[in-house]
Amino acid sequence: QKEVEQNSGPLSVPEGAIASLNCTYSDRGSQSFFWYRQYSGKSPELIMFIYSNGDKEDGRFTAQLNKASQYVSLLIRDSQPSDSATYLCAVTSTGGFKTIFGAGTRLFVKA
Amino acid sequence: GAVVSQHPSWVICKSGTSVKIECRSLDFQATTMFWYRQFPKQSLMLMATSNEGSKATYEQGVEKDKFLINHASLTLSTLTVTSAHPEDSSFYICSATRPGGRNEQFFGPGTRLTVL
Repeated sequence: QKEVEQNSGPLSVPEGAIASLNCTYSDRGSQSFFWYRQYSGKSPELIMFIYSNGDKEDGRFTAQLNKASQYVSLLIRDSQPSDSATYLCAVTSTGGFKTIFGAGTRLFVKA
Repeated sequence: GAVVSQHPSWVICKSGTSVKIECRSLDFQATTMFWYRQFPKQSLMLMATSNEGSKATYEQGVEKDKFLINHASLTLSTLTVTSAHPEDSSFYICSATRPGGRNEQFFGPGTRLTVL
């Protein structure tokens, strides 16, 4: 079992729809969870982080964390073609010594 | 804040030569810096973790004598690819964490290395 798992996609949604990206992790002691966006040919950029169970909203983005289920998700409301990218889920291991990245989910927003 | 730069952004070199890539945190002192490699359409692969003034910790399978990392100061880390070969051609990306954070990593723009 991979430490951080994401569906590779591509996930295709129409413009204006909600895109839902999911991630599961294996380390029950993980404390910090991050979502990064990576455009093709570019480096990742941090878009959200979450530490507590529940939802965290930032503009069109909402991160959701359920530690009991070891599940973290990212919702993108009113998806735009410019949101088309690979989204990387990252989880910090117990003790915070290491951050494990998922392989990423490719999102394609159709105009 | 939390800007990380890399230099050069791209480099082409001949097989057998060495290439040095610089990673700088511009507006903060980095607790830790990381070096990643990414092949086309593949995921990030962590190569090593470095802290200022100490030896880098390399991931399994990464040759420390081939990929030399020097973390000279709290704002600068360098990666030298020694005796580069075409299979070393890749996108090299550094990242840094800052004090007081929750280990969120801030990435540099990356360096695209092509070895002929």
